[in-house]
Amino acid sequence: DAKTTQPNSMESNEEEPVHLPCNHSTISGTDYIHWYRQLPSQGPEYVIHGLTSNVNNRMASLAIAEDRKSSTLILHRATLRDAAVYYCILRPSNDYKLSFGAGTTVTVRA
Amino acid sequence: GAGVSQSPRYKVTKRGQDVTLRCDPISSHATLYWYQQALGQGPEFLTYFNYEAQPDKSGLPSDRFSAERPEGSISTLTIQRTEQRDSAMYRCASSRTSGGHNEQFFGPGTRLTVL
Repeated sequence: DAKTTQPNSMESNEEEPVHLPCNHSTISGTDYIHWYRQLPSQGPEYVIHGLTSNVNNRMASLAIAEDRKSSTLILHRATLRDAAVYYCILRPSNDYKLSFGAGTTVTVRA
Repeated sequence: GAGVSQSPRYKVTKRGQDVTLRCDPISSHATLYWYQQALGQGPEFLTYFNYEAQPDKSGLPSDRFSAERPEGSISTLTIQRTEQRDSAMYRCASSRTSGGHNEQFFGPGTRLTVL
């Protein structure tokens, strides 16, 4: 499986944007970039995914580099509820499973 | 149902006993997954089903672990002769189909403690 590299942790202030980087230099052409998050004591939750173009949804935006070797998850205005572990996952188009790494622990300060 | 449900939420058992965990996926979802999550780590894939077929069980740690989904809806994960190293959170997820673009919806998990 292609690997991703994320910082171990990031801190943010409430109401400010959060930019979570993910490096995936060995990505292949059929790999989707998925982001999931896991709030404390809960199961993982889908955030967003993309293939080549930037994507927006109600939760976040995903900015994908032109060479697709890196991507950034953007939380536009962090709230205390956004404190979680965020996982960047590469998932081939024909693959069924999610391969979670260590993720980035995001702390939001009030 | 509205989401993925799992039961029991907590299970404490003694070493050597068998346990069975249950997952009830979202009703329209063809694909069901089982993951194991150790404390402080991300979930690790165990096995999955497309309806009642189980194409991949390579993630099951040993032959003491088995899963079934006989009617293509509810699934059970059984661990025979439990060992302390089996203590973990067991998470079930479902998706509409198994393709790489599909979102997986996770249940609340079953916390298994083997004494």
